[in-house]
Amino acid sequence: DTGVSQNPRHKITKRGQNVTFRCDPISEHNRLYWYRQTLGQGPEFLTYFQNEAQLEKSRLLSDRFSAERPKGSFSTLEIQRTEQGDSAMYLCASSPSGLGINNYGYTFGSGTRLTVV
Amino acid sequence: TQLLEQSPQFLSIQEGENLTVYCNSSSVFSSLQWYRQEPGEGPVLLVTVVTGGEVKKLKRLTFQFGDARKDSSLHITAAQPGDTGLYLCAGDVRPSSRLTFGEGTQLTVNP
Repeated sequence: DTGVSQNPRHKITKRGQNVTFRCDPISEHNRLYWYRQTLGQGPEFLTYFQNEAQLEKSRLLSDRFSAERPKGSFSTLEIQRTEQGDSAMYLCASSPSGLGINNYGYTFGSGTRLTVV
Repeated sequence: TQLLEQSPQFLSIQEGENLTVYCNSSSVFSSLQWYRQEPGEGPVLLVTVVTGGEVKKLKRLTFQFGDARKDSSLHITAAQPGDTGLYLCAGDVRPSSRLTFGEGTQLTVNP
């Protein structure tokens, strides 16, 4: 296993178009997280899954955003009707679950850089 | 809402100097983590601290978690150009699994 994989690495889209990003977590990790990061800021939480269940969503995740993890393995994040304000780095991370899970920290992917023009 | 404030926001030093980065909050965290991020890449975990007053050392890096679990510091001894990067602190409050990140400290170590 080579870590968390995100595709594509870069995406340029026109305003109003829909985009979808994919994340493949570390296979032994059953928790998967999506974060968004803009220049000069730390990552902001969007949502997370334990297996296929979406357990928590941020208020940042508007109706235009949807995330899925249909079989508890890879996940997709879709943004509909993109806006210029959606331009950011979208980061995926995974972690194991169980007692003291937060002690393990996250393993992040390299992110998908979205530019909306 | 838990907020983490990092200081300084930017730090430019010469190779061989020591530095300390601070991470403060009014909230109590279950654990606190430090990450380093390079341009165009995701953050990489450096350390997790979970016990108030805990000190962890990773080669030239020393991490401390405050007694009240509201603050943390990262001290680098004899900085090297390879230490250049964005340093992020992040905390969690159980039972939530989400991490709240600070805004980061951009460190530049000049040769």
